[in-house]
Order: sequence, then structure tokens, then C-alpha cells
Amino acid sequence: DAKTTQPNSMESNEEEPVHLPCNHSTISGTDYIHWYRQLPSQGPEYVIHGLTSNVNNRMASLAIAEDRKSSTLILHRATLRDAAVYYCILRSRGFGNEKLTFGTGTRLTIIP
Amino acid sequence: AAGVIQSPRHLIKEKRETATLKCYPIPRHDTVYWYQQGPGQDPQFLISFYEKMQSDKGSIPDRFSAQQFSDYHSELNMSSLELGDSALYFCASSMGNEQFFGPGTRLTVL
Repeated sequence: DAKTTQPNSMESNEEEPVHLPCNHSTISGTDYIHWYRQLPSQGPEYVIHGLTSNVNNRMASLAIAEDRKSSTLILHRATLRDAAVYYCILRSRGFGNEKLTFGTGTRLTIIP
Repeated sequence: AAGVIQSPRHLIKEKRETATLKCYPIPRHDTVYWYQQGPGQDPQFLISFYEKMQSDKGSIPDRFSAQQFSDYHSELNMSSLELGDSALYFCASSMGNEQFFGPGTRLTVL
């Protein structure tokens, strides 16, 4: 599996935007970029995914570099409930039944 | 909306005992995954099933086995338990790109 690199930790003030970077320089043309997060004492939760174009949903936005070697998860207005470990994961294009390979992730702390 | 159900939520076993963890996926989801998360670690993939057939296998010990039944629920069987098996075990289900995780079973081996 192609590898991703994320900062170990980040801090952000409440109600401010948060930009979580991810590097994936060995991404292949068939890899989708997925983001999951894990809140304390809970199972991971899907956030967003994309292939080439920027994506928006109710939780976040995903900005993908033109060469696809990096991406940024954007939380537009962080709340205390967004404090979690955020994982950037590459998944091969397939029939939708591929496993998730979790890396180290970024532990996001929200400061009230 | 229905979520993934896992039982039991907590389980305490002695070394060398056997444990069975159960997972009930979201209705109409065709794929089930099992992940193990040790203390302070990130989740690691164990095994998955697509339409009741094993579809992928990760770093699952030979002491562990799993299956998916005709009603799509899945069971993870763990034998000869070791202290190092103490972890959170998550089940996830999907029918597309997004995996939905259950609350996990916390297994403690004494």
C-alpha cells in the first residue's frame, strides 16, 4: 500500500478553520484519498474522500494537489467535538471492499 | 439510522481461554471488516468478508478465525488467548466507499 505522512499533532482554536495536511508522494493513479477520524473511545468515522478534484461535504472539505502527491483536510469551523485523531488513507480503486490501512494520523487538539 | 452492532462490549478472559466476538453489520451492507487496536496504537486490519466469502486477510494470528453467516453477521473466534491480545476489536461494514465502524469490543486478557 502507498504510504501517507501526517504531522503527529496539531492544535487549533475553537471556531477557527483547521487545515490538516497529508503527503502521499507514491500515490498511484488508481488510489483514492480517504480521511477518517477517531474520537476518544469510539470507532473510526468516515469524513470524506476524493480522487482528483476538491470535494466538500457537511463535515469537511478535501483539497487535493494537482499532482495528487498531497492533500489537505479542511474543517471550516472547529468545535470541541472535532478533537480526534485524523487519518489520511489511500485506498485502491476497486469494488469497494478494500481494507483500510491506518497510519499514525494527526492528533487534533481544539483549544476553547 | 441503524448502526453496526458489536457484542459483547467488554470481555475479560484468562490466558489460554477462548473468546468469540460478534458483529451485526448495517442491513444490506455486503462487506464486513475486523480491525484490532492495541493500547496506544492505530487500528490494524485483521480480515474481511464480501458476500459471506473471505475477501482479504491481514496480520491475523493463526489462533484467530472468523466467518460470516447467511444473515451477514460475523464472528471472530480467538483461541489460546495471550496477554498481547488485549485490545479493542472493531467491526466495520460497507456497501461502497465508506466504512461504518461499530463501537468496538474491549477484550482484556488476564
